[in-house]
Amino acid sequence: EVQLVESGGGLVQPGGSLRLSCAASGFTFSNYAMSWVRQAPGKGLDWVSAISGGGGNTYYADSVKGRFTISRDNSKNTLYLQMNSLRAEDTAVYYCAKITMTVVKVLDFQNWGQGTLVTVSS
Amino acid sequence: QSVLTQPPSVSAAPGQKVTISCSGSSSNIGNNYVSWYQQLPGTAPKLLIYENNRRPSGIPDRFSGSKSGTSATLGITGLQTGDEADYYCGTWDSSLSAAVFGGGTKLTVL
Repeated sequence: EVQLVESGGGLVQPGGSLRLSCAASGFTFSNYAMSWVRQAPGKGLDWVSAISGGGGNTYYADSVKGRFTISRDNSKNTLYLQMNSLRAEDTAVYYCAKITMTVVKVLDFQNWGQGTLVTVSS
Repeated sequence: QSVLTQPPSVSAAPGQKVTISCSGSSSNIGNNYVSWYQQLPGTAPKLLIYENNRRPSGIPDRFSGSKSGTSATLGITGLQTGDEADYYCGTWDSSLSAAVFGGGTKLTVL
């Protein structure tokens, strides 16, 4: 059974940084691309970033490009999201997801974690 | 403002059928696969339909998907109170080079 468990969320001041983690199990982690999707309180889904199985290719939404960095450690079956220069509008539940991806596009989000809440406020 | 347009809400009685539409453009739905997600209250989204009309293992055949041109539709038959949830369509937008979602549709089973 696929399991994805996010951690690292919390309260951070505007301009601050936070690193999210997603521990994966139940599948061969290195064989799959992974992604982060966020959901602001009471709002819809918002794609953030994706990374190929080997980690060599990364993709970002324009809203986070240059501020967020996605990475993975396949030896630890863990996905990361380093978030810098955080803004109030980054406040959301952040989900990690196992995805289907071609070289240039995300096809679908197969499995989702339970999410971790990030609150950016002074 | 979402790239994909969904009705904010739909409703139907138990046992009935409902459809949820998702409208886009040639840069997204028109040239890419569509997927659908169910988000029950207080939980994470769950994949219902992928590649326009395929169901993952464990998803009942009461759920179906279709695509025509730049629009897609999710159909749910034999509605149950447990189907009350938010439903999202998603696809890739080749112009934005980004995954995009609809704004979500809240299904109420009266």
